Amino acid sequence: DTEVTQTPKHLVMGMTNKKSLKCEQHMGHRAMYWYKQKAKKPPELMFVYSYEKLSINESVPSRFSPECPNSSLLNLHLHALQPEDSALYLCASSQAIVLNRDSRASNYGYTFGSGTRLTVV
Amino acid sequence: AQSVTQPDIHITVSEGASLELRCNYSYGATPYLFWYVQSPGQGLQLLLKYFSGDTLVQGIKGFEAEFKRSQSSFNLRKPSVHWSDAAEYFCAVPTGTASKLTFGTGTRLQVTL
Repeated sequence: DTEVTQTPKHLVMGMTNKKSLKCEQHMGHRAMYWYKQKAKKPPELMFVYSYEKLSINESVPSRFSPECPNSSLLNLHLHALQPEDSALYLCASSQAIVLNRDSRASNYGYTFGSGTRLTVV
Repeated sequence: AQSVTQPDIHITVSEGASLELRCNYSYGATPYLFWYVQSPGQGLQLLLKYFSGDTLVQGIKGFEAEFKRSQSSFNLRKPSVHWSDAAEYFCAVPTGTASKLTFGTGTRLQVTL
């Protein structure tokens, strides 16, 4: 299995709703990421989990709450979002968080899911 | 900090014509570099990557890229473009301890028939 699976593919939620985005991978990757992508812009990093521990939070508002229950799953809990939070949310995974210039580097890469299109109304 | 620049926001080519998308990097040592493609409303698909060694890298879908240290470039090429290649293309570089993948602003490719 060489895929990152994200559910749901589309989500419409009100500003008072609570919802969750899910991401799953079975490649044995120990680093997982959430990216946010606005229309016509590149993806921007939100969170990084390394070995199920949060290692990077790019100053993301607390209405976004990540969770990594195990090495294969990554969730993003949403609460009290604003219309400007509407975007494509991408999950990614990678083998390791630190690149080493050895033979393993040839296998290094980030695998992205197809994303969740979120609309906040 | 490592970064990449994609000078072309939008490129239009005719089907069957050759393609070159530009990517310039800013980094003292040899960087790791990636090219991704994104079709409308879709996720990112890895086309190819460069770590070291041979400076000409072959990827999927007939794409290749050449790393040129003298020009700080990692341009993406394809000898004959197909209509299905119309998409957004991103050059990217891991930053810091490789925990963050930083993208260029992207180049939108339009293919005319």
